[in-house]
Amino acid sequence: EIVMTQTPLSSPVTLGQPASISCRSSKSLVHSDGNTYLSWLHQRPGQPPRLLIYKISNRFSGVPDRFSGSGAGTDFTLKISRVEPEDVGVYYCAQTTQFGITFGQGTRLEIK
Amino acid sequence: EVQLSESGGDLVQPGGSLRLSCVASGFPFSSSEMTWIRQAPGKGLEWVSSTTSSGGGRWHAGSVEGRFTISRDNSKNTLYLQMNSLRAEDTAVYYCARYDHLSGRIFDIWGQGTKVTVSS
Repeated sequence: EIVMTQTPLSSPVTLGQPASISCRSSKSLVHSDGNTYLSWLHQRPGQPPRLLIYKISNRFSGVPDRFSGSGAGTDFTLKISRVEPEDVGVYYCAQTTQFGITFGQGTRLEIK
Repeated sequence: EVQLSESGGDLVQPGGSLRLSCVASGFPFSSSEMTWIRQAPGKGLEWVSSTTSSGGGRWHAGSVEGRFTISRDNSKNTLYLQMNSLRAEDTAVYYCARYDHLSGRIFDIWGQGTKVTVSS
């Protein structure tokens, strides 16, 4: 099983300021087809998760461009350029390169 | 409207059984791979089971292997999760989600979830 480790686990941020979350996998997420199947999801309180970013850096439909993803191999980062009130909640990275699919433990973003 | 709607969650005693259902609408269910993901109270996300569009391929997490079975009825646009020999650690909100293999192996559509509580 690939273990996904996120840091920090909690991130207090000021509205309008940037935020960054890291995700590290216990083995490379590069698939034999050349793609890296690393996604980021956001879960607001009381809501199901929703997809933000897939294949490291591709924004899903409707996701604002203040969200960006980067990284390679085993180290990945989600950045929010300017945090807005609706960005609060928990962010998860997920690997779908290898079955069983695994998620990071989650990073709680809260407003200072 | 694209939608997934889960049902079947309940309070059940340890060792009991439950069947969850997930009805899909607004997208081609019969050509979609589907997945169950759960979230224990106050915890993170855990992949449980996945199935191919035909139902011929099924995968289960080690924690539920031999106890849970994923299945589907494409004529009813419905995904199922048969849960047997339930344990306290199976207590969670269970989400169904579409797994889009071709677009990047992504979970792009989620239901609202159904709550399962295993307790005596």
